[in-house]
Amino acid sequence: ETGVTQTPRHLVMGMTNKKSLKCEQHLGHNAMYWYKQSAKKPLELMFVYSLEERVENNSVPSRFSPECPNSSHLFLHLHTLQPEDSALYLCASSQEPTSLRTGAFFGQGTRLTVV
Amino acid sequence: AQKVTQAQTEISVVEKEDVTLDCVYETRDTTYYLFWYKQPPSGELVFLIRRNSFDEQNEISGRYSWNFQKSTSSFNFTITASQVVDSAVYFCALSEARRGSQGNLIFGKGTKLSVKP
Repeated sequence: ETGVTQTPRHLVMGMTNKKSLKCEQHLGHNAMYWYKQSAKKPLELMFVYSLEERVENNSVPSRFSPECPNSSHLFLHLHTLQPEDSALYLCASSQEPTSLRTGAFFGQGTRLTVV
Repeated sequence: AQKVTQAQTEISVVEKEDVTLDCVYETRDTTYYLFWYKQPPSGELVFLIRRNSFDEQNEISGRYSWNFQKSTSSFNFTITASQVVDSAVYFCALSEARRGSQGNLIFGKGTKLSVKP
């Protein structure tokens, strides 16, 4: 099993649909993150969860709704998205705090297309 | 303001050439971490290195080496004797200690490296 698994890998949805992205980590980490990677912008941090509590929301529109039911799972619920929301959505996890010289572990992402 | 600049958008080299990827950062914090990640075509970001702001020693790991210079706010990455498998997008990133986690990253725009046989 890979460390951080995201499903689905690809998703096409209409602007009126509701869908969810799922992330699961098997590393025993206590922090999880959602990032957005679009063609025209650098990787953008969307949400940070630490010990299952949301600790940061980087001014993300309410049509994106995260959920962290436990330390191993993270969801991103999507509704009434816009075409400009089409992007690669990456999930990551890390152990905090740590003195180890490691970084966050990323999943392979979900490629989202909004039509 | 925090910012990471990777001025090189794309680099193309021939196998066995050495290549250096540049990274310049801005931060007001005195304690911070710098990272390099590799993104192959499969999409996931692969962690390469983390460097603390108070440790300016250069580091070598196989064909990879990193040059951290606080005086110029740079954290450059060199691949020696490049190989086709090194082809990927490479991201430099900054994490400030006050933000509380090493997954809370500010990324540069990335440098796409193409290594041709």
